[in-house]
Amino acid sequence: TQLLEQSPQFLSIQEGENLTVYCNSSSVFSSLQWYRQEPGEGPVLLVTVVTGGEVKKLKRLTFQFGDARKDSSLHITAAQPGDTGLYLCAGEYNFNKFYFGSGTKLNVKP
Amino acid sequence: DTGVSQNPRHKITKRGQNVTFRCDPISEHNRLYWYRQTLGQGPEFLTYFQNEAQLEKSRLLSDRFSAERPKGSFSTLEIQRTEQGDSAMYLCASSHRAHGYTFGSGTRLTVV
Repeated sequence: TQLLEQSPQFLSIQEGENLTVYCNSSSVFSSLQWYRQEPGEGPVLLVTVVTGGEVKKLKRLTFQFGDARKDSSLHITAAQPGDTGLYLCAGEYNFNKFYFGSGTKLNVKP
Repeated sequence: DTGVSQNPRHKITKRGQNVTFRCDPISEHNRLYWYRQTLGQGPEFLTYFQNEAQLEKSRLLSDRFSAERPKGSFSTLEIQRTEQGDSAMYLCASSHRAHGYTFGSGTRLTVV
């Protein structure tokens, strides 16, 4: 059973399009992280959000943490083929470890 | 420091054999985590260490699995009497407290 639900599971879009992926839970997180993973490699940390309502930007990526700290979203503007990968959210519950969602597999076609 | 290093990158073993994986964390990180990831899933927590102390073990970690972190430096994960269901990517991560993991590239285990 996944504590975090990510949607959509798969997303295939054309280069230049915008997209949003979601991470939801019924539990409150003390913090939440987003990672990007390429095949055969470990996940790479993109951002950590801590405060409810927090918004962070990383170039074309915008991360938002829900006010109640139960959900988060990742928005990518003008997607590029280099954005292709598995996007994972991970929620911290007990200030000592993170639980991961199943991920959103993004494919950006040139 | 070159980040978190895992060895080997790939391991193919016959069912019933024992295997051991090694993780070298970032030197100043006091926390070390082991996760397992199967195809189409996110990483699942197995166990973590703070320095040399193993503080938590998941119920996924059956008695065939053992992890150590002698002297709070590198860690090993051993699987005894491997089963086909053990086939997965085994990921190691380190962090300073819980502020953002740095993952290694993983060890891909295939049990045939």
